[in-house]
Amino acid sequence: EVQLVESGGGLVQPGGSLRLSCAASGFTFSSYSMNWVRQAPGKGLEWVSYISSSGGTTYHADSVEGRFTISRDNAKNSLYLHMSSLRAEDTAIYYCARAFGNFDYWGQGTLVTVSS
Amino acid sequence: EIVLTQSPGTLSLSPGERATLSCRASQSVTSSYLAWYQQKPGQAPRLLISGASTRATGIPDRFSGSGSGTDFTLTISRLEPEDFAVYYCQQYGYSHQYTFGQGTKLEIK
Repeated sequence: EVQLVESGGGLVQPGGSLRLSCAASGFTFSSYSMNWVRQAPGKGLEWVSYISSSGGTTYHADSVEGRFTISRDNAKNSLYLHMSSLRAEDTAIYYCARAFGNFDYWGQGTLVTVSS
Repeated sequence: EIVLTQSPGTLSLSPGERATLSCRASQSVTSSYLAWYQQKPGQAPRLLISGASTRATGIPDRFSGSGSGTDFTLTISRLEPEDFAVYYCQQYGYSHQYTFGQGTKLEIK
């Protein structure tokens, strides 16, 4: 059974940093590209970042470019999102999602709150 | 950047009725890269349809997708109580830039 479990969310002050993790199981992690998607409270879905199966190619949404970095450790079946210079508008549930064309499996999400 | 506009914003129907949800793109979308997701309160989104018309594993056949170019449709033939949720369309573009529509809330009338 495919499982994606996010962790690392919490309360952080504006300008602060946080690292999210996503532990994958039930599939060959190194064969799939992965993504982070976020959802602000009561709002819709926003794609954040993409990473290829090898980790050699990454893309980020314009809204986070230069502040967020996606990475992965295929030996540990783990996906990461390094977030810095956080702003109030980054407050959201962050989901990791497996990419097979579109996003066929999602984790349950981890909440990031940016507030003083 | 391709913008996806979903309509209506909210759709009020009764169980047993047919639901038709629309997703319009600001420019042509490759059908292979158009998907639909369902999200219930407190849950992660779930993939329903990929490639504009292919149901994902385990999705009942009352869900169907159609369309091409800039106009896509998700149809639920006969609504079940568990179908009331928010639905999003999504497209995948150049440089893995994914965009979502703003969502359609399907509520019980």
